[in-house]
Amino acid sequence: DGGITQSPKYLFRKEGQNVTLSCEQNLNHDAMYWYRQDPGQGLRLIYYSQIVNDFQKGDIAEGYSVSREKKESFPLTVTSAQKNPTAFYLCASAYRRGPGETQYFGPGTRLLVL
Amino acid sequence: RKEVEQDPGPFNVPEGATVAFNCTYSNSASQSFFWYRQDCRKEPKLLMSVYSSGNEDGRFTAQLNRASQYISLLIRDSKLSDSATYLCVVNNPGSARQLTFGSGTQLTVLP
Repeated sequence: DGGITQSPKYLFRKEGQNVTLSCEQNLNHDAMYWYRQDPGQGLRLIYYSQIVNDFQKGDIAEGYSVSREKKESFPLTVTSAQKNPTAFYLCASAYRRGPGETQYFGPGTRLLVL
Repeated sequence: RKEVEQDPGPFNVPEGATVAFNCTYSNSASQSFFWYRQDCRKEPKLLMSVYSSGNEDGRFTAQLNRASQYISLLIRDSKLSDSATYLCVVNNPGSARQLTFGSGTQLTVLP
């Protein structure tokens, strides 16, 4: 089946620990995105990548890092520098259609701090 | 002014009712508009794209008013399964970030 997968579904982080969230897509999409969603708030962009081996900071990149070594994979690392990491993390990918692009989302990872 | 602003809700309507959500956007150069649906603790899923003057898909109608920078979503004959949060999404021409998401409007359809 074609789609976007994220793992794990739930992740617990201890103080001072780095954790990595996985995002994989087999849709052959060029663009991939990471968003953070907090209760009652809209999605905020963390990082995005338009092509392999290139990525750009979004609006709230501090405390996060990414890599894009393969077209289908865009892992997100939440570092110990991110002081308030508890949130719902959503990965999305996109192809271009018409004047813009349509983004499709993975099922998300909930990160909780112990 | 927020880039994308939505009615905060929540909207609680009886089954069978017609309900409308509003959304305004600040970038006059925006060309693509979308409505996404997000169920509780799930990912957003594309409901409708709005590219021209409007779009209809069954019980759902989206309208676009470029002059007022305003889009709306109308749901007719509401079903219990329509209960969700509806996100207004607007593109950002010239920006690789591409899309800006509204904070969403929560709808609960009551039996």
